[in-house]
Parts: sequence; structure tokens; C-alpha cells
Amino acid sequence: KAGVTQTPRYLIKTRGQQVTLSCSPISGHRSVSWYQQTPGQGLQFLFEYFSETQRNKGNFPGRFSGRQFSNSRSEMNVSTLELGDSALYLCASSLLIDNYNEQFFGPGTRLTVL
Amino acid sequence: LAKTTQPISMDSYEGQEVNITCSHNNIATNDYITWYQQFPSQGPRFIIQGYKTKVTNEVASLFIPADRKSSTLSLPRVSLSDTAVYYCLVGPSSNTGKLIFGQGTTLQVKP
Repeated sequence: KAGVTQTPRYLIKTRGQQVTLSCSPISGHRSVSWYQQTPGQGLQFLFEYFSETQRNKGNFPGRFSGRQFSNSRSEMNVSTLELGDSALYLCASSLLIDNYNEQFFGPGTRLTVL
Repeated sequence: LAKTTQPISMDSYEGQEVNITCSHNNIATNDYITWYQQFPSQGPRFIIQGYKTKVTNEVASLFIPADRKSSTLSLPRVSLSDTAVYYCLVGPSSNTGKLIFGQGTTLQVKP
């Protein structure tokens, strides 16, 4: 079974631009979560989508948004990029079986904002 | 969500058993304890999850005392490839895709 895939793997943008990152979950997984990882703040939860609905949200400004499609694929968008948005963006999918929650992470998208 | 405390770093040698302890004094009744491993520039990888007593899989063992205020991840006979960051997470297991990561423990395995 294919793992979680993320595209693109690397991205360079300039301040003020916007960016869209894509995540394809493992087949059959309906939950998709996004995380931001930086050396200073570590791994931080952005948001989770389940059945095309945002179910959980972390403490990030409204510039960070996302959506999920009917095939469970998800996109994350960051508008008006700032230097501090440079990070590794990770996507994870899971089955959410009761009493067992294993999240499968993709390789991430490395975003650099100049 | 319960806050976790774990050592920032640990050193070990190849072939040794490594035990990483995580403290979670405010764990709730419906919280599970989960450990993830992360290599540089990769996404975290699930290692093991447990609720109480002991859980073992092909990679590691997880020991949880009766009061559940701490847990210990045990890695038998580590190798150089086990050098990574290990995260202890505490939270509800089902119906949530939200994981709260702490600072993690950087394990350095030496030859």
C-alpha cells in the first residue's frame, strides 16, 4: 500500500506570495492532519480534516487554511507569506480506529520564504 | 491535553538497551500514551501505543505503571540507525487526528 505523499517536496517563495501544498493520504484513510516543524517551535499542529470538514484547529493565524476533497486528498494554503513561515510542513493520515490511533506521516514539504 | 516531560537528550552505545522515561502527571482517564520516532528531514513514525501495564511489539516495549503518571519506552539492543528524536505523546486515542508534540528526546547511538 502506498504511503502518504506530499507535493512539492521543496518550495522557495518570497514574502507576500501565497503557496499551496498538497497531501495524498493512504488509501482508505479519511483523517488528514497538517503540522509545521521549525527548529525554534518544534512540531506544531495546524489543523485536521475528516470527511471534508475541518475538525480540529491549532493556534495559527487565518493566513493558514486548508481543505479536503471527497477523495480525502488535502491541500494547505498559506497566504501573504512571512519569513517565519519557512518550515517543514508535514501531512499525516490515519484510520482513527477506536482506541488505536496511528498516524502515518508523509516526507514533508520544505518551504523556504525569502 | 496532558503535558509531557522527557529528557532533552540521551547517549548510548550500539548493542545496549535504552530506556527513555516520560512524565505525564496530568494524564486523563481516556488518554493513551504514544511514542513516535523522527529522523532528520523526515516525518515522525509511530513506534508504540499503550494505556496501562506493558505493551511490546517488534520494535520496542512500553512500560506504564499503575498510576500512569509516567511511561518508559524501551529499545532493546540499539544500533546506529536508532539515532533519532523520540517523542512521547499523551492524549485521547480515538476520533482525533490532533497530536501535540513536546520537545522530544534526541537519542545519539555511538559505535
